[in-house]
Order: sequence, then C-alpha cells, then structure tokens
Amino acid sequence: QVQLVESGGGVVQPGRSLRLSCAASGFTFRSYVMHWVRQAPGKGLEWLAAISYDGRNKYDADSVKGRFTISRDNSNNTLYLQMNSLRAEDTAVYYCAKDRGITVVRGAGMDVWGQGTTVTVSS
Amino acid sequence: DIQMTQSPSALSASVGDRVTITCRAGQSINKYLNWYQQRPGKGPKLLLYVASTLESGVPSRFSGTGSETDFTLTISSLQPEDVATYYCQQSHSIPQTFGQGTRVEI
Repeated sequence: QVQLVESGGGVVQPGRSLRLSCAASGFTFRSYVMHWVRQAPGKGLEWLAAISYDGRNKYDADSVKGRFTISRDNSNNTLYLQMNSLRAEDTAVYYCAKDRGITVVRGAGMDVWGQGTTVTVSS
Repeated sequence: DIQMTQSPSALSASVGDRVTITCRAGQSINKYLNWYQQRPGKGPKLLLYVASTLESGVPSRFSGTGSETDFTLTISSLQPEDVATYYCQQSHSIPQTFGQGTRVEI
C-alpha cells in the first residue's frame, strides 16, 4: 500500500545537526512533489519545504532557510531533510508528505502523510 | 507570505449537527485551498483539495466551497469520529501556509 515512513528523529543539542529520512513505497515516488511539514508540541502545522519530482527545484520557509535542506534520491525512493544549526524552537514532530501532483505552486494538496518523527532540541 | 485565518478556533456540537468552519486568505488564492483533518495523536489526513473536491474515501458529509479569499468546510451531520482539529492550507504560492486550526468537539 501507499506508505511514507520517517526516521532519524531524536534528542539533539542546540547548534547540532540531524538528518531525517522518509522512505516511500506503493507509488511512483519519482513522479511527485514531496514536502516536509512540522508540528511543535500543542501547536498547528507548519510547512517547511518542498522539492520537485526531479529534485531540481527546492522551496523552503523563511524559518528554516539557510539551515534546513530538502533533497531526494529517486533511485532509492527516499526523501531527506538535512537540519543544521538546530534551535530549541525546532522541537517538533516532523512529517513528510506526498503532493497530489507535480507542481509546488498551484498545487493540489498533500494526500499521503507519514506517521511523523520527533525531534527534540535540548541541552 | 499568505496568512490563513480560520474561525472559530474551537467549537462544540452535538452528533448530527451541521458544522461550518471558515478559512480566509490574506490575498486571493483562486481555488488552491485544501482541508485536512487531524485526529488526536495522529497525522493529518487530506479531506478536500482545490476548495471543493472530495479526496477518495472521505465521507460525503464533508464538503467545501469558496474561491479567492473566503472558503468554508461543512460537515453536514457531525459524527463521533469527526472529533479532530481541522486545518485549511493554501497551495497557491510559496511558502505554502496553514490556518491555525479549528478544534471540533462533541
């Protein structure tokens, strides 16, 4: 079945780095835009980044610009989020999500979500 | 950035009630508005996309209307399994942005 499984979360000290992975299965991964979205404890959803189906175009939110990098490996059906210079405010559950289509702008929603991986930034 | 504002922030209704949640965009987003349901302790689930198209498998009691800046999610007959937080999200432009959420209780 269509599935996304995130991994790589954990407890990390401020200023350190972490790389999240998202393994996709059950659909043609290379054909779709992919996203990262996070949710801080007790808070709402925050869109972080998106990447085009071929990995050529990347987009990110101001809150993570210059610190987080989205990438993908279409040969291994895996999405990544490299997180550097982590801060306490980055503590959240991180979700990867599949877009319904092939465009980030004028898109059509995220129809498949992973279960989330928790990142805690604390000394 | 396009700000998305939902109202109300929370509501309580009875089983069988008609429930309406509104979402307002800070500028025109045409019909690029999506609705998600997040049950307690779970990840988000897409309910409707491009304002009014029901995602496959979503019960028909959910419906959406609107365009440009004003959108509405309606649950025609509230069920116990609808207890959740509902989010609108614009996919018109980058950065994509979510509303703050509406918590629905019974």
